[in-house]
Amino acid sequence: NAGVTQTPKFRVLKTGQSMTLLCAQDMNHEYMYWYRQDPGMGLRLIHYSVGEGTTAKGEVPDGYNVSRLKKQNFLLGLESAAPSQTSVYFCASSYIRVRETQYFGPGTRLLVL
Amino acid sequence: RKEVEQDPGPFNVPEGATVAFNCTYSNSASQSFFWYRQDCRKEPKLLMSVYSSGNEDGRFTAQLNRASQYISLLIRDSKLSDSATYLCVVGNNAGNMLTFGGGTRLMVKP
Repeated sequence: NAGVTQTPKFRVLKTGQSMTLLCAQDMNHEYMYWYRQDPGMGLRLIHYSVGEGTTAKGEVPDGYNVSRLKKQNFLLGLESAAPSQTSVYFCASSYIRVRETQYFGPGTRLLVL
Repeated sequence: RKEVEQDPGPFNVPEGATVAFNCTYSNSASQSFFWYRQDCRKEPKLLMSVYSSGNEDGRFTAQLNRASQYISLLIRDSKLSDSATYLCVVGNNAGNMLTFGGGTRLMVKP
């Protein structure tokens, strides 16, 4: 039981490049989330999903897109990376009945030059 | 004003000390409250939920004051392994979003 995994662990991009971050969970959780964490800002919700095929915007969705084609996977896309998107990205998942207990992946460190 | 505010610290305490962290939140309609722990360069993990009646888990005690919109965490008999950042977390009334505070850093020294 791997829990929540994220790919890649670290990436360097040039401004304007695109990339996709992959999150996978093997706990059969309905809810999945993408956050970014910046120094002094805490974690901020980018997008979330309440089930396969559904997505919704969080607090800071601009510049990101997401897809949840399979229940176990939640993808975060950056179409045209900007230096302001340099951050640590965490994926999380939770059960329906205990939605607030979120299980986090190990994070992806992204540097945009 | 941030929705969830915490003193960033760091709090430097000796082993065995008692330390308390506070947190305030702005949305009076918030329904759920938590403390998460985050070790350096690691992911956050749930430490404990916070209930209006207060709750205790070993050396950790959490309190909620809804009237003052204030949450606290008390750690007794601090251990070196308690060194981490403690995140105050508030759930919205729909139960589909968590708002995280910026975290309070604790360093326990020998």
